[in-house]
Parts: sequence; C-alpha cells; structure tokens
Amino acid sequence: DAGVTQSPTHLIKTRGQQVTLRCSPKSGHDTVSWYQQALGQGPQFIFQYYEEEERQRGNFPDRFSGHQFPNYSSELNVNALLLGDSALYLCASSLGNQPQHFGDGTRLSIL
Amino acid sequence: AQSVTQLDSQVPVFEEAPVELRCNYSSSVSVYLFWYVQYPNQGLQLLLKYLSGSTLVKGINGFEAEFNKSQTSFHLRKPSVNISDTDEYFCAVFVTSNYKLTFGKGTLLTVNP
Repeated sequence: DAGVTQSPTHLIKTRGQQVTLRCSPKSGHDTVSWYQQALGQGPQFIFQYYEEEERQRGNFPDRFSGHQFPNYSSELNVNALLLGDSALYLCASSLGNQPQHFGDGTRLSIL
Repeated sequence: AQSVTQLDSQVPVFEEAPVELRCNYSSSVSVYLFWYVQYPNQGLQLLLKYLSGSTLVKGINGFEAEFNKSQTSFHLRKPSVNISDTDEYFCAVFVTSNYKLTFGKGTLLTVNP
C-alpha cells in the first residue's frame, strides 16, 4: 500500500520563475493539504483541497495556488518565486478528520 | 485561531534516561492533538494522537502522551530513550471546524551515549 508520494524530490529555480509540485495521496484518502517548512521551523499550512476545491487556506499570498484532480492527486503552483520561498514543501493526505499522512517532501531551492 | 508552543527547542538526554518533551496549545474550540517525528531529509511520521476518550495515549516506539485540558498541554514522554530516538519532534493541533493542522516549532531530542 503506497503512502503519500511527492515529486520531484529536489528542485532548483531562480527568482521570478514558476514551479509546480505534485502529490499523490495515500490510497483511500480524499483530502490533500500542503505545508511549507522553512529550515529550523515547523510546517506552515498553505491550503487544503477536498472534492477538487480549496477548502481552507493559510496566510500565504496568491502566488501560491493549487489544484486537485478527480483521482485526488494534487499540484502546488508557486509563481514569481522569491528567495524566501526556499523550503521543504510537504504534502499530506487524509480521510475525513483522521490523522494526516505525510510524504517525504520536495526540497525547493531558489537562487 | 489556534497555536502551539513547544517549550524547548532542544532537549539533550543520556541513553536509557527518561525524557519529556513539552507542548502547550491555545484554542477556543475542541481540538485533536498529535505528535509527529521527522527523520532527517524526510517527511513526518505520526507518533501518537489524541482524538477523544482516555487522556493517556500510547504511540509507536514506546512513546506516550497525556492530554491535560485544564493546563492545555499534551506532553510527550518516554521512560527510557535509545540513541535511535535522536530526531526532531513536532506537536500539532487540529481544529475540525477550520480543517487546519497547526504545528509547533519543533524540539530536537538528542540522545547521548
């Protein structure tokens, strides 16, 4: 039973570029949440997708957007990248209000 | 809005000694509580959870935590630690009404021989 899978594992971009990160949820899960984890910090909630719609959003600018597909997989898009966007981006999936299961993350570096 | 405070950023301890990692939370509504462990260069693995019922919950790897509603705390304990327990530990609170999982800043547990 595959858990949460994220791709790519590492990514290097330059300021001003755009990036798309991908996430496949654990089998049987219908909800996907995204988090940003800066070095030495705890994960910060970006947004959550359920039934292909953004259900809740954290304190992140509109440069951060997402999508959920009919098969429950999800994408995180970040436009106009800033140096401060360098972080580990974590995807988590869940079913209802059960505990979230996390992927290993995508390490994004901005030069 | 909910918040989580992990009172210690680093906790050094000797092998086979007991350990307690402290966590306090703030919320105006009922919450679910979790402890996660983060292995190097990996995501988060769930250690244990409190959803309802008994306030003492047991998790994987010999860890346990006690929910104290009056003190709004959810401290993580282990009676005897191993070298392999050296990792970063995160306390988190989930509010069902807003679907948000909020994390503390983490506690680095270092077990020394």
